[in-house]
Amino acid sequence: GQNIDQPTEMTATEGAIVQINCTYQTSGFNGLFWYQQHAGEAPTFLSYNVLDGLEEKGRFSSFLSRSKGYSYLLLKELQMKDSASYLCAVSDSGYALNFGKGTSLLVTP
Amino acid sequence: GAVVSQHPSWVICKSGTSVKIECRSLDFQATTMFWYRQFPKQSLMLMATSNEGSKATYEQGVEKDKFLINHASLTLSTLTVTSAHPEDSSFYICSARDREPYEQYFGPGTRLTVT
Repeated sequence: GQNIDQPTEMTATEGAIVQINCTYQTSGFNGLFWYQQHAGEAPTFLSYNVLDGLEEKGRFSSFLSRSKGYSYLLLKELQMKDSASYLCAVSDSGYALNFGKGTSLLVTP
Repeated sequence: GAVVSQHPSWVICKSGTSVKIECRSLDFQATTMFWYRQFPKQSLMLMATSNEGSKATYEQGVEKDKFLINHASLTLSTLTVTSAHPEDSSFYICSARDREPYEQYFGPGTRLTVT
């Protein structure tokens, strides 16, 4: 079975840094993904981790610890447009994505 | 990057009718496509995995006779919602996988409203 947990909501200030955590327990593992989704739109790819460690891409970084079943997405220099849902997803042995419930991030001025 | 299209982007239909949603990979060949469903304020739920030239694999709880999936070519998969009911109203999103496992691209989604 699949069990992916992340906080439901977070609020942060423009210009700040926010970390969104994700824990997972899955039967198969082919990598962990982070997606951004604005209301009414399809998800857009942010990051992919398959090995332990930190992957940095501009203002966004993602970390993975496979032994702990833990990942986080780090957003730096927050902008108002970063207000969105952030979805943690684990790819199983068949490469399908199993999504967490998503974290709704609100960036305030 | 790779582009995946969906058609229609939104559709309203009457209860009891059928609706077909198309998912196309525009600039790459997708051996595997996935269909997801998302209800308001909820996350994406995988409905089925579609492999070109073979039967789709459905997730537990998804009725294969109600949600017909056809993956006739490497660039096209279709989802047909048969005998639609208001509870089928949702946001349906497809994704297509390129060669590398992490290269999975989402379509823009289809919003279905059943009245």
